Amino acid sequence: EDQVTQSPEALRLQEGESSSLNCSYTVSGLRGLFWYRQDPGKGPEFLFTLYSAGEEKEKERLKATLTKKESFLHITAPKPEDSATYLCAVQPLSGGYQKVTFGIGTKLQVIP
Amino acid sequence: EAGVTQFPSHSVIEKGQTVTLRCDPISGHDNLYWYRRVMGKEIKFLLHFVKESKQDESGMPNNRFLAERTGGTYSTLKVQPAELEDSGVYFCASSQGTVRRNTIYFGEGSWLTVV
Repeated sequence: EDQVTQSPEALRLQEGESSSLNCSYTVSGLRGLFWYRQDPGKGPEFLFTLYSAGEEKEKERLKATLTKKESFLHITAPKPEDSATYLCAVQPLSGGYQKVTFGIGTKLQVIP
Repeated sequence: EAGVTQFPSHSVIEKGQTVTLRCDPISGHDNLYWYRRVMGKEIKFLLHFVKESKQDESGMPNNRFLAERTGGTYSTLKVQPAELEDSGVYFCASSQGTVRRNTIYFGEGSWLTVV
């Protein structure tokens, strides 16, 4: 069974204090790994899709990286508006596009 | 471009009542999904449509849940009769579903509370 473990569960940073969120996964062949941002009371907002080990993608202060066992979401010089829950999800090669397994998320709080 | 839209955004119903949730996917997306997140748990898959056909409904909790997708456009998810454990956030999502365009885009969710 596919598994996604995110750590830490919660992270509190000072504004400007860079850090990384971890997503460890177990899947029988990876079709894609997704990162989403979720604000309170909202649906997950798509950030990145990574397809193969070594791939990196960037968006503003966020950079996602992928290895064969885990993905990192690096946050450089975060601002209070980066506060949200960050979700990781994996989509295996076997089965259809619906076979997506989510992690529980990392709740990030950036303090001014 | 409009995103995935869901209605209602919030619903409070009594145990035993019926609730119908609606989802309009992104235009051009053949794949439509329903997911659910109950308090403190991760988002879980419920079912998947390709156009009007159910491809996979292995995540549906029981036969009190019925999903339809008329004409391959919008979808409804009916819960009848609702139980307390059905409370949670029901997310609809859609994707193009091609090899490299398989990113799943989510709606804002329908927050269901059964009392």
